[in-house]
Amino acid sequence: QQQVKQSPQSLIVQKGGISIINCAYENTAFDYFPWYQQFPGKGPALLIAIRPDVSEKKEGRFTISFNKSAKQFSLHIMDSQPGDSATYFCAASTSTRSARQLTFGSGTQLTVLP
Amino acid sequence: NAGVTQTPKFRVLKTGQSMTLLCAQDMNHEYMYWYRQDPGMGLRLIHYSVGEGTTAKGEVPDGYNVSRLKKQNFLLGLESAAPSQTSVYFCASSKTSGRLSTDTQYFGPGTRLTVL
Repeated sequence: QQQVKQSPQSLIVQKGGISIINCAYENTAFDYFPWYQQFPGKGPALLIAIRPDVSEKKEGRFTISFNKSAKQFSLHIMDSQPGDSATYFCAASTSTRSARQLTFGSGTQLTVLP
Repeated sequence: NAGVTQTPKFRVLKTGQSMTLLCAQDMNHEYMYWYRQDPGMGLRLIHYSVGEGTTAKGEVPDGYNVSRLKKQNFLLGLESAAPSQTSVYFCASSKTSGRLSTDTQYFGPGTRLTVL
């Protein structure tokens, strides 16, 4: 059961363009939404995260937009660079459990062309 | 700081063989996790530990066992490997992970396991 649905599966963007990755969730108990970035042969690393009490969070070229009523959130990468080429995973977790177990989306492979 | 390290990096097993994957962290983190990553599936939690001597099941625990005898180490065991366990395994750790926490999970580099 995929509780966090991520799209697209792959994305190709020209250098300087905007990359947009979307995620939708089902569990309304989720209260923490991180995005992880993974380069080939490496483990995922936290990129940016948001809580549902805000609609947007920006860190440099990376922005999370959050729509609580639609149960959707997205990652925007402005001025995309070849170095941003990686796989991106959205995730969600809830504080209703004793430990914050992350539920991941299926991933988006981003390629930024020079 | 080495962060989170995993041993081995690669392994090929035959069906029915057993093995143990070792995860070590030097950040004095309380929480540790084992995930598996399969194409098109994202990462799925196998088991996790909230402290030394304690473990709990995640989303896909069947066929795996874990132990946390020392705070810095978290072992993942496969008693009788099956081809369905072919995957990339990632260990992660976090400082805390309770209800009021949003602590970052730090991932190791992964172990690529093939079961023939």
